[in-house]
Amino acid sequence: DTGVSQNPRHKITKRGQNVTFRCDPISEHNRLYWYRQTLGQGPEFLTYFQNEAQLEKSRLLSDRFSAERPKGSFSTLEIQRTEQGDSAMYLCASSLARMGGSYNSPLHFGNGTRLTVT
Amino acid sequence: SQQGEEDPQALSIQEGENATMNCSYKTSINNLQWYRQNSGRGLVHLILIRSNEREKHSGRLRVTLDTSKKSSSLLITASRAADTASYFCATAQITGGGNKLTFGTGTQLKVEL
Repeated sequence: DTGVSQNPRHKITKRGQNVTFRCDPISEHNRLYWYRQTLGQGPEFLTYFQNEAQLEKSRLLSDRFSAERPKGSFSTLEIQRTEQGDSAMYLCASSLARMGGSYNSPLHFGNGTRLTVT
Repeated sequence: SQQGEEDPQALSIQEGENATMNCSYKTSINNLQWYRQNSGRGLVHLILIRSNEREKHSGRLRVTLDTSKKSSSLLITASRAADTASYFCATAQITGGGNKLTFGTGTQLKVEL
């Protein structure tokens, strides 16, 4: 179990630029989640995948945000035309959902990508 | 949106003392989980309690759940300086919540030597 890996750890970008983050989940995990966390707050749900299918997206996820999980392995989160309000920690988590047990799986988090938009 | 609210927002204690954090939530849940986060790091799962359970223990951790009051508490006994972190409760809702966890606002715990 090598854990959830996120890259890069930090990203500084200018307003209006596009950025892409990568998440490598624990290899046998079929669920992958993206959360966003601002200073002093808890993580806020953005979207999640079951294998390669994106099953739910938050209203927080504007049309400037897009996430993919090709082949049900790693995932990317892209933010187009970044705004200063996008500055946050972007957290990826994965879990193993078994038949009939989907609600009870703890999440394994990566250390996040801290985005600063100047 | 945040489902839960932790209380207190910040807590400072001496090493060896017990720390109690409370969490309140709004909707019916399938289970409630507690996570810990060190500064600048990801969250680490601590303990999960199902809606039909009232109390659960794991090492120095004790979690209670009162579904009638929609509240939970996390007790850390004999605290250590290494317990300094933020602690979050997270709920898995029964309906309309999909398969995501909704996190509270967190309690910042500082354990001083």
